[in-house]
Amino acid sequence: NAGVTQTPKFRVLKTGQSMTLLCAQDMNHEYMYWYRQDPGMGLRLIHYSVGEGTTAKGEVPDGYNVSRLKKQNFLLGLESAAPSQTSVYFCASSYRASGEETQYFGPGTRLLVL
Amino acid sequence: AQSVTQLGSHVSVSEGALVLLRCNYSSSVPPYLFWYVQYPNQGLQLLLKYTTGATLVKGINGFEAEFKKSETSFHLTKPSAHMSDAAEYFCAVREYTNAGKSTFGDGTTLTVKP
Repeated sequence: NAGVTQTPKFRVLKTGQSMTLLCAQDMNHEYMYWYRQDPGMGLRLIHYSVGEGTTAKGEVPDGYNVSRLKKQNFLLGLESAAPSQTSVYFCASSYRASGEETQYFGPGTRLLVL
Repeated sequence: AQSVTQLGSHVSVSEGALVLLRCNYSSSVPPYLFWYVQYPNQGLQLLLKYTTGATLVKGINGFEAEFKKSETSFHLTKPSAHMSDAAEYFCAVREYTNAGKSTFGDGTTLTVKP
């Protein structure tokens, strides 16, 4: 049981390049989330998914797209990277979204956009 | 709308001293409250959570927090700090009406001096 895993762990992009971050969970969780963490700030929600084939916007969705084609995977895409997207990206999942459910976090992906 | 304020971005204590990390929240409905710990280059790990019932919640590593509705607070404490407690701590609030979306505070970095 690996929990929540993220690929890659670290990436450097040039402005305008694209990339996809992969989040995978093996806990059969329905809900998955993408957050970004910037220095001196807490995590901010980018997009989330309440089930396979469904996605929704979070607090800071601009410049990102997501897909949930399989229940266990949640992909975060950057179509044209910008320096403002330099951040640490965390994926999380939970069994339900009843509020009290524990969210399990991945180890993070560090992204540097030059 | 939900929000979280963590008072003090940096807290420094001596080993063996009391740890007190402050968190105040705002929520339009009864909230679920969480404390997470993040060690360097790692994801967030749940320390404890308050959902319903007993207002004093005990978590891992000797931490506890008390939900005080009248003060809209959920401060984190530990009677005796250990060097291994040095990390960043995040308070988070979640409303059961909000699809499980969490709002995080900006974090408090705890330093433990020998």
